[in-house]
Amino acid sequence: NAGVTQTPKFQVLKTGQSMTLQCAQDMNHNSMYWYRQDPGMGLRLIYYSASEGTTDKGEVPNGYNVSRLNKREFSLRLESAAPSQTSVYFCASRTGVGYTFGSGTRLTVV
Amino acid sequence: GQQVMQIPQYQHVQEGEDFTTYCNSSTTLSNIQWYKQRPGGHPVFLIQLVKSGEVKKQKRLTFQFGEAKKNSSLHITATQTTDVGTYFCAEVGGSTLGRLYFGRGTQLTVWP
Repeated sequence: NAGVTQTPKFQVLKTGQSMTLQCAQDMNHNSMYWYRQDPGMGLRLIYYSASEGTTDKGEVPNGYNVSRLNKREFSLRLESAAPSQTSVYFCASRTGVGYTFGSGTRLTVV
Repeated sequence: GQQVMQIPQYQHVQEGEDFTTYCNSSTTLSNIQWYKQRPGGHPVFLIQLVKSGEVKKQKRLTFQFGEAKKNSSLHITATQTTDVGTYFCAEVGGSTLGRLYFGRGTQLTVWP
């Protein structure tokens, strides 16, 4: 039982490049979330998906798109990376009461 | 959206000392969750409080929810080096979508 798996763990992009962050959960949860974490800012919600086929914007959605491919997978796409998107990205799914987070993707945009 | 304020931002203690972090809101919270994040790690769920005045304990950790449900605290008795990390409070949004609104966290350093 792996929980929430994120790939890649580290990534360096040049400004303007695109990439997709992958997230998969094996707990059969309906709800999945993408957060970004910046120093001193806590975690801020980018997008979330209440169920397969639905997605909604969170607090900081600009510059991102998401796809809920199926119940297991929820991907985050940066179409044209900017230095302001340098951050640690966490995917999470809801574990009944608490939330289970993936180990994160550390993204640097230069 | 909801906003929870967390203080202090940083806390440095000697091993064996106690530690407390506080979470405050200007509005009534429906519930509060606490997470711990080790350096370089990911947030890990600790506990959820729902009832007014609720107190829950996990070994050396004591969690409280205020009577007015506008504040919460996490107290660690006799800190150990394994307690190092950042502690976050978060409110689950009132809708069924379950969005988490995080405080900015308290970073705890424990000196041996």
